[in-house]
Amino acid sequence: GAVVSQHPSRVICKSGTSVKIECRSLDFQATTMFWYRQFPKQSLMLMATSNEGSKATYEQGVEKDKFLINHASLTLSTLTVTSAHPEDSSFYICSARDRDYGYTFGSGTRLTVV
Amino acid sequence: GQNIDQPTEMTATEGAIVQINCTYQTSGFNGLFWYQQHAGEAPTFLSYNVLDGLEEKGRFSSFLSRSKGYSYLLLKELQMKDSASYLCAVMDSNYQLIWGAGTKLIIKP
Repeated sequence: GAVVSQHPSRVICKSGTSVKIECRSLDFQATTMFWYRQFPKQSLMLMATSNEGSKATYEQGVEKDKFLINHASLTLSTLTVTSAHPEDSSFYICSARDRDYGYTFGSGTRLTVV
Repeated sequence: GQNIDQPTEMTATEGAIVQINCTYQTSGFNGLFWYQQHAGEAPTFLSYNVLDGLEEKGRFSSFLSRSKGYSYLLLKELQMKDSASYLCAVMDSNYQLIWGAGTKLIIKP
């Protein structure tokens, strides 16, 4: 089946630094990648949708200059949290739409900003 | 606006059956998904319904009624490992997923 590899699974960074999260589709071409954030005991919140070769579409309230998304190839999308602050600590998950309109999720990244 | 409703939490006994309901109001409909999510992990796909009726897959079944904007996930022969959150999501007319807040299922021995 379709697999999305997400790295790192867990990261701790200092406030003010930047963190990059990668998602790779391993056996299919992901023309569209979705980036979600999930706070404890809450559902997934869509942050942005990226399409290969074009700018990402951000949801209302999500700062595009803070959460930089790059989808340079059909198999790789990255999310960079710039100048991270403790309130950015969350579980970040990517998801790609595979061949059959299914959604395959990466394993998630637990970000802790100290 | 778009809305997905599902119970916040349910409790069931090991070996029993539990039904998790989901009602939705969305702009268009291109299918309904159920995902399982264990704490601290990413969601994993359980089922996809786009036509009315029941889809059975082992111990898990999913039902859809498009006219009622209603779905349920039925879990049989509950096991302790089924303790997780169950997320209902609807694909709208733009093929975007609208997520429910999830139902936390607690299984007791």
